[in-house]
Amino acid sequence: NAGVTQTPKFQVLKTGQSMTLQCAQDMNHNSMYWYRQDPGMGLRLIYYSASEGTTDKGEVPNGYNVSRLNKREFSLRLESAAPSQTSVYFCASSEGWGRPYEQYFGPGTRLTVT
Amino acid sequence: GEDVEQSLFLSVREGDSSVINCTYTDSSSTYLYWYKQEPGAGLQLLTYIFSNMDMKQDQRLTVLLNKKDKHLSLRIADTQTGDSAIYFCAPWVRDDKIIFGKGTRLHILP
Repeated sequence: NAGVTQTPKFQVLKTGQSMTLQCAQDMNHNSMYWYRQDPGMGLRLIYYSASEGTTDKGEVPNGYNVSRLNKREFSLRLESAAPSQTSVYFCASSEGWGRPYEQYFGPGTRLTVT
Repeated sequence: GEDVEQSLFLSVREGDSSVINCTYTDSSSTYLYWYKQEPGAGLQLLTYIFSNMDMKQDQRLTVLLNKKDKHLSLRIADTQTGDSAIYFCAPWVRDDKIIFGKGTRLHILP
């Protein structure tokens, strides 16, 4: 049981390049999330998917797109990377939506945009 | 809007108690979580308290909630080097939205 896995672990991009961060969970969870973590800022929600087939914007969605590929996988795409998107990105999942289910986090992707 | 405040750093001697404090603004928070982040890792749920409770004890961890003042604290008794981490106060606000504080980095002194 791997829990929540993320790839890649590290990535360096040049400004304007695009990339997709991958996330998968094997806990049969319905809800999945993407957060970014910046020093002194805590975690901020980028996008979430309450259930397979739905996605919604979080607190800081600009510059990102997401795809809930199936129940297991939720990807985050940066179409044209900017230095302001340098951050650590965490994917999380939870059993469901609408109740305070525990969120399980992946190990993170450290992204640097130069 | 919703906000969660925590001090950013705390240094404690090994064996002493650590107390991490948090204040939040949304009075509708029904669950209040503490998450722990070890270096280079994702967050893990450490403990939580329901809003109708004043205190919850779980081995070395004690969570105190003052709902009137919207103040939450996490006490770690007999702090060990393995407790060195960032601790996030995280109220569950509505639906499945959790508001994370900025995190308190706990540093253990020998």
